[in-house]
Amino acid sequence: QQQVKQSPQSLIVQKGGISIINCAYENTAFDYFPWYQQFPGKGPALLIAIRPDVSEKKEGRFTISFNKSAKQFSLHIMDSQPGDSATYFCAANTGTASKLTFGTGTRLQVTL
Amino acid sequence: AAGVIQSPRHLIKEKRETATLKCYPIPRHDTVYWYQQGPGQDPQFLISFYEKMQSDKGSIPDRFSAQQFSDYHSELNMSSLELGDSALYFCASSHGRLNEKLFFGSGTQLSVL
Repeated sequence: QQQVKQSPQSLIVQKGGISIINCAYENTAFDYFPWYQQFPGKGPALLIAIRPDVSEKKEGRFTISFNKSAKQFSLHIMDSQPGDSATYFCAANTGTASKLTFGTGTRLQVTL
Repeated sequence: AAGVIQSPRHLIKEKRETATLKCYPIPRHDTVYWYQQGPGQDPQFLISFYEKMQSDKGSIPDRFSAQQFSDYHSELNMSSLELGDSALYFCASSHGRLNEKLFFGSGTQLSVL
């Protein structure tokens, strides 16, 4: 059973466009929601993270929107660039453990 | 800046053989995590160690064991390898048991033939 559901599975966006990836979770004990970026042959790298006490967090071109009542959160990549082409994973964990539960991943391709 | 180092980068084994994967965490990081990522799949948590003690356990098969040594490096031992064990194995490290900022290595690609 996938505790963190992610969509879409793949996404193609033109350069300069906005990439939006969505995640939904079941476990209300989750209180930390990071996004990871993974390039082929590399390990996941932490991109940005949010806690449930805020509804939005922005770092550069990357923004997380969080809806606690709906148990959903999303990643927005503004002004998407070809270098952003990678697989993006949302994740979640509880405050009592550091093991992350990952979503199924979204393969993003940014075209010229 | 120093990152998480994993070795070997690639490993090819036959069925029923044994494999040992090594992980060297970022300096001053005392917590190590192991994840398994199948082709096109999300990383699955296997096991973690904090200060050389097992701190959490996930979907790790009984055929696998791991430990963290006094210098904080960790080894994942895999016995009686099966075809389904073919995957990318990632190690991550953090400072402190409840620090959510995990830093991942580049992984070991294990192929079981």
